[in-house]
Amino acid sequence: KQEVTQIPAALSVPEGENLVLNCSFTDSAIYNLQWFRQDPGKGLTSLLLIQSSQREQTSGRLNASLDKSSGRSTLYIAASQPGDSATYLCAVYYAGGTSYGKLTFGQGTILTVHP
Amino acid sequence: DTAVSQTPKYLVTQMGNDKSIKCEQNLGHDTMYWYKQDSKKFLKIMFSYNNKELIINETVPNRFSPKSPDKAHLNLHINSLELGDSAVYFCASSQLGANVLTFGAGSRLTVL
Repeated sequence: KQEVTQIPAALSVPEGENLVLNCSFTDSAIYNLQWFRQDPGKGLTSLLLIQSSQREQTSGRLNASLDKSSGRSTLYIAASQPGDSATYLCAVYYAGGTSYGKLTFGQGTILTVHP
Repeated sequence: DTAVSQTPKYLVTQMGNDKSIKCEQNLGHDTMYWYKQDSKKFLKIMFSYNNKELIINETVPNRFSPKSPDKAHLNLHINSLELGDSAVYFCASSQLGANVLTFGAGSRLTVL
């Protein structure tokens, strides 16, 4: 059974800091890993998708890395801004030997960036 | 042109009632999902349908009955609502084999 864990559960930083969010998963047989952002009371916004054959993806101030063999991913946010405040969710697409895959989520990291 | 649309967005109801949440996707995908996000923000899969057939059922109580009239629709019907059913329910869709899901905006269910 796939389990996804995110550390830390919450993070509060001053504006301008670079920060790292961590995600680990127990079964390395994944198809891809995705980072989402969720604002309070809102839906999910996909930030970055890393296929299992890739090591990292970048979008603007965001960089996500994937080490499939060790079951880890990090999301690096450069020069954080108050607008980055949200919950960040890590999810892996995984089939676990079955015919049909599904997305399994971590519990999220609540990020607060204060001015 | 909303890709995955859910209705209603908000639903407040009394314990014991029966309610439905509808989901439609216009992406031409063949697989649809329901996820539940509880009060601790943890998202867990409930069901998945491929071409109207149930392919994933994650030990959800049988008070929950998904119905897929066609591959573009996956509705969630909940009987005898309980306080613990209060959550945000997300619908999603994908093309089998593509391994990427598109999510709806969520439906917040509050059971009083």
